Amino acid sequence: RKEVEQDPGPFNVPEGATVAFNCTYSNSASQSFFWYRQDCRKEPKLLMSVYSSGNEDGRFTAQLNRASQYISLLIRDSKLSDSATYLCAVHTGGFKTIFGAGTRLFVKA
Amino acid sequence: DGGITQSPKYLFRKEGQNVTLSCEQNLNHDAMYWYRQDPGQGLRLIYYSQIVNDFQKGDIAEGYSVSREKKESFPLTVTSAQKNPTAFYLCASSKGVLDRLTDTGELFFGEGSRLTVL
Repeated sequence: RKEVEQDPGPFNVPEGATVAFNCTYSNSASQSFFWYRQDCRKEPKLLMSVYSSGNEDGRFTAQLNRASQYISLLIRDSKLSDSATYLCAVHTGGFKTIFGAGTRLFVKA
Repeated sequence: DGGITQSPKYLFRKEGQNVTLSCEQNLNHDAMYWYRQDPGQGLRLIYYSQIVNDFQKGDIAEGYSVSREKKESFPLTVTSAQKNPTAFYLCASSKGVLDRLTDTGELFFGEGSRLTVL
C-alpha cells in the first residue's frame, strides 16, 4: 500500500462547479499535511496547509480527519485558472515529506 | 529575493554518463530534498538532508548520489547505475528539524531540471 494515496483523475468539471479531492495516508505518526498545486511542467507550489480544525482560503477548504487518516480539498465556484494537478503531501515523523500521485483537474468553459 | 535555484533547466546526456544537477538556496533553510517526477506521477523522494555533512536515502536512492558540504548547496549526481534516469528532478528546502518551533514542514521548490538520456 502506498504511503499517500489520492483519488485517481482526471476530473473534468464546468466553470462554477464544486469539486472535492480526497487523500489518505498510512503513517499514523504523520505530523503535517498540505495541498500543493502544480501547473503543467512547473514546480509544485503550496496551496494550503491542512489542520485538524479545517481551514478555508477563499474558494478553497481543506479538512483533516486524523482518526480516519484522511485529508480533503474542496474547491467551490471553479475557475478556468484552477486547472492544474493537485498534490496531497504528508510530513512524516521521519522528517521527510511524501507526496501522493496527484489528481489532475480540468475546468472547462 | 530568496529562493531555490536549480541548474541546468534542461539537460541531454548519453547513456552511461554521470550527470550532476545543481541546487542552491538562499533561504537559510537547514533541510534540503531531491525528488524525481515521472510523467503523470507524483513526486518520489530520492535523498534528503537535515544538516550539513549529513544526508539520508529516500525511497528511490539507487543510482543517485548527493553531497551536503555547504548549507546552501545540495547537488545530485545521476550515475550510470540509474536504469531510467529520464525524468523531471525537483530540489526543495524547508526550515528543518533544527528549527522545530517555526518549521511548518512547508517545502519550497526550485523550478526543476528536466533530464533526458538519449
